[in-house]
Amino acid sequence: DIVMTQSPDSLAVSLGERATIQCKSSQSVLYSSDNKNYLAWYQHKPGQPPKLLISWASTRESGVPDRFTGSGSGTDFTLTISSLQAEDVAIYYCQQYYFTLRTFGQGTKVEI
Amino acid sequence: EVHLVESGGGLVQPGGSLRLTCTTSGFTFGNYWMHWVRQVPGTGLVWVSRIKNDGNTTSYAESVKGRFIVSRDNAKNTLYLEMNSLRADDTAVYYCARVGIDYSYDYWGPGTQVTVSS
Repeated sequence: DIVMTQSPDSLAVSLGERATIQCKSSQSVLYSSDNKNYLAWYQHKPGQPPKLLISWASTRESGVPDRFTGSGSGTDFTLTISSLQAEDVAIYYCQQYYFTLRTFGQGTKVEI
Repeated sequence: EVHLVESGGGLVQPGGSLRLTCTTSGFTFGNYWMHWVRQVPGTGLVWVSRIKNDGNTTSYAESVKGRFIVSRDNAKNTLYLEMNSLRADDTAVYYCARVGIDYSYDYWGPGTQVTVSS
């Protein structure tokens, strides 16, 4: 199985400051036929279902604030929140959808 | 508006069975792959199962293979997860999720709690 490893497990960031989350996959999720990275980022708040933020490693979903940016390729990916807001407190997960057995990172808890 | 709502969770004894239902609306259900994902309390998200839009292809995580069965009724816009031989480590919140055109999960249900305990 492909293993997704996020770092750090948690981080505390001041309001308005930058938060950076890393995600590393044990195998490349870059599909050569379409040159796309099969990697998504989700935001999960308590009592709510996860919310899709970014697909294809860097494509922001409609309605997602532009302070959320995804980057990276192959096996190394980053989610950046450029200016943390109070409503961004959540757990963030990366997920690969390159393989049938989709796997998530262990999650990164972002706090103020 | 797209809606997914899970039901059927609850408390069950080890070795017991439950059937989860994901009722959907607001989209053409028969056009989309659907997945089940679970979250054990205090831990992360884990993929459980998937089913093709026509119901002819299914896949399972190793931990549930042979015990869980995913199915769908496109006429009723409904997804199912039959869970048998339940174990304590199946205790989790179970989510159904729609696979969007970009292959990620674009819509999720609110989840249903399954607790396996004697």
